[in-house]
This record gives sequence, structure tokens and C-alpha cells, in this order.
Amino acid sequence: GESVGLHLPTLSVQEGDNSIINCAYSNSASDYFIWYKQESGKGPQFIIDIRSNMDKRQGQRVTVLLNKTVKHLSLQIAATQPGDSAVYFCAENMGNSGNTPLVFGKGTRLSVIA
Amino acid sequence: DTEVTQTPKHLVMGMTNKKSLKCEQHMGHRAMYWYKQKAKKPPELMFVYSYEKLSINESVPSRFSPECPNSSLLNLHLHALQPEDSALYLCASSPFSQADTQYFGPGTRLTVL
Repeated sequence: GESVGLHLPTLSVQEGDNSIINCAYSNSASDYFIWYKQESGKGPQFIIDIRSNMDKRQGQRVTVLLNKTVKHLSLQIAATQPGDSAVYFCAENMGNSGNTPLVFGKGTRLSVIA
Repeated sequence: DTEVTQTPKHLVMGMTNKKSLKCEQHMGHRAMYWYKQKAKKPPELMFVYSYEKLSINESVPSRFSPECPNSSLLNLHLHALQPEDSALYLCASSPFSQADTQYFGPGTRLTVL
């Protein structure tokens, strides 16, 4: 089965509020994690990534947190906007060899209420 | 240019047809991928090309045949598909390997009748 999963399949937030999307992974050898955003009818769009030697990384309005102790990854979106409505996938890469595939989580649908 | 392009955007084909999906990137990436995505599911890896050589085939049926004519192009040839093959087919690329960030194209929505 998949080693990457999500706690919440759907999330509804009010416009302007902060969103937190969670992801659990089971392989302690995973060393690279990516968050993708997929809007309806489009391909996954890279949002932010983090390597296992970090526990936090910030982008524009987004922050990824990595807790290796409990194998947990989260994506925080500040001041959520209607354009943030999409399905969000976490993905992990197990190992540095470059020969292991990216494993996607099941995805969380984020709905922004105007 | 930071884009992966795919054509066609939509494709409808019968089970006896032969068709091809095309993918192109001009980012100088040396790894390219085909994924299949069913509705409300994450992408599933089908094939990986590394430096224009097929490096991974995730047990995909032979009715799907990938081809990498050069480092910028990736094709997926389709023949004798089944209705259950209907899905969004995504192409992606990354600088060198699966250890790098993968960038996805918009996908081809395939319907097999």
C-alpha cells in the first residue's frame, strides 16, 4: 500500500483564514517531500518542497513543516483565497539514488468559502 | 521556458484505433515521465526515461508504448486500448532523476469508447 496518506480528505475554509493540510508518511528513509496543487482539469503544479535536513520552509503565502519524529508533513496557506481551491497532494521520494519513484498521497480537496 | 506541454488536450478513440500522445519540454531536463491519473486519485507512475533511455516500466500493459525521440520529446503510443484506460495522462520532467522536483504538463484527457 501507499506509505503517504492524508488525515483529511476534504477541507473547507473561509476566505482570508489560514489553511493547514496534513500528510503522514511511513518510510523513515524518505528524504524529499513535495506539495503539489491540482486544479480541476489541470496537471499538478509544484508549490513547495522540503528535504529531510530541514523542518520548515517558507514560500509566498505557503509554509511546509516537516516533523521527522512522527513522520508528518503539513502545508500551511496564509490568508486563503478562492484561487487556492484545488486538490493538494503531498509526495515523497524514498532515497537519494534517484531510482525510486515519487509516491503521492491520496490528496486533500481544499474548498474556499467566499 | 519552465513549461511542459502536452498534445492533444483531449482525445477520444475506439478500442481498435492507434493514437499517440505527445509531450515536450525545453528546460533541458534529462528525466521525463508518463503518469496515469483516474478521477479523484493521485497520479500513478507508468514510465520513466532517463537520458533518453527507458529506465522504469511500472508493469504497464504493452498496449501502451513509450518513445523518447530526443531529450525534449516524449511520446506515448496507444493501441487496442480498453475503456478502463480512460484517464488523464500526465507527462512530467525533472532535471536529472526522480530525486529532483518533477514538473507536470496539463495532461491529455483520454476517453476510450
